[in-house]
Parts: sequence; C-alpha cells; structure tokens
Amino acid sequence: DTAVSQTPKYLVTQMGNDKSIKCEQNLGHDTMYWYKQDSKKFLKIMFSYNNKELIINETVPNRFSPKSPDKAHLNLHINSLELGDSAVYFCASSPQTSGTTDTQYFGPGTRLTVL
Amino acid sequence: EDQVTQSPEALRLQEGESSSLNCSYTVSGLRGLFWYRQDPGKGPEFLFTLYSAGEEKEKERLKATLTKKESFLHITAPKPEDSATYLCAPRYNFNKFYFGSGTKLNVKP
Repeated sequence: DTAVSQTPKYLVTQMGNDKSIKCEQNLGHDTMYWYKQDSKKFLKIMFSYNNKELIINETVPNRFSPKSPDKAHLNLHINSLELGDSAVYFCASSPQTSGTTDTQYFGPGTRLTVL
Repeated sequence: EDQVTQSPEALRLQEGESSSLNCSYTVSGLRGLFWYRQDPGKGPEFLFTLYSAGEEKEKERLKATLTKKESFLHITAPKPEDSATYLCAPRYNFNKFYFGSGTKLNVKP
C-alpha cells in the first residue's frame, strides 16, 4: 500500500492554464505539507495543514491555493500558470506537528512543466 | 537570515571508501535536524532525526552526528546502493523545515 500518493506524476501544460495536483495519505497522519523542489534541488515548504486547518502559508503567490477536504487529503490548485511554476511538487505528511513523532513521509512528486 | 549549506555538492567514492557529508546551519531555536535520502525521480526518504548537540544515530553504514552549528553524515564502507542525494533539514519551529540543496553521492563498484 502506498503511504503518500500524488496524482498526476507528470503534468505538462500551457502558460495561463489552471491545474490541480492531488495528494492522499493512508497513514492516519494529522499534518500534511506541500513542497516545491526547483531545478537547484532546494525543497521549499509552501503550505502545511493540521487536521484540515492551514497552519503554514509561506510567501507563495496567491495563484496557489491548497484545499484539504479531510485530513487524509491535501490538494493544490494553481491558477494562471507561469513558466516559473515549472518544478517538482512534493506532498508530505507527518503524525503530528511537534515532538519525536514528526517524521515527514513524502509522496513520489509531481513534475510540472509549463510551456 | 536562517541558512542551510551542504557540502560537498557532489561526492564520488569507490566502494568501501568511507567519507563524511556536512550540513552547516545558522538558526535560532533549532527544533531538530533531519536527514533524508532522495533517489532520482522519488520523494525524500527519512533517515534520522537529531535533537541535541552531541547526539549520534546509526543505521547500517550511516551515522549522523550533531553539533551546535553543523551535522555530519558519516558513510562507512559504502556500497553502490548507497548512491543517492542526501538532504539535511533543520527544523526552525514546529512545522518549518528548511532543506539544504543536498549532496549527490555516487559510489562506484
């Protein structure tokens, strides 16, 4: 069973389009995250949700909107895609937000290419 | 500004040749330093968490250590299957992890 899954794995689209990436975790974790990994391989946190509540919202354009319908799902919707949005997007989850059981488990990533 | 620097950027070793990877950080209020392994086309995979200076953790051929300003990932007698990018991530508050750009390790048989 896949612990953290993302769909799609690859996404190629034109500038200006709107797209969504879906993430699901079957680990029973309370906290979920979205990260962006750029061409230099830096992983940068974008958002974090704890029990469907937004707790981290980094400096991310408001074209990016996360949605958590339940604590097992965290989707990422991107409006008006730009060339600079091309990257690999990773979803992750962790059991809780602090303490010794906060290991993050990552999904396989979604490679977004904006043409 | 809080920063994370990993060195070297790339490391090529012969099988059995031990070495160390470095992660240096400037941070106020460190709440744990995490090491991950990332294989090409995959998400990072958790290796270790270190919480206080002087702490050490081991897993197979890997040992992670932590001081107040840096962490080392020691690789003893590596094998080709240890080839991957190793990422460190200091945690600055309960939810924010700042990842380094990684060290790409290539172990030749």
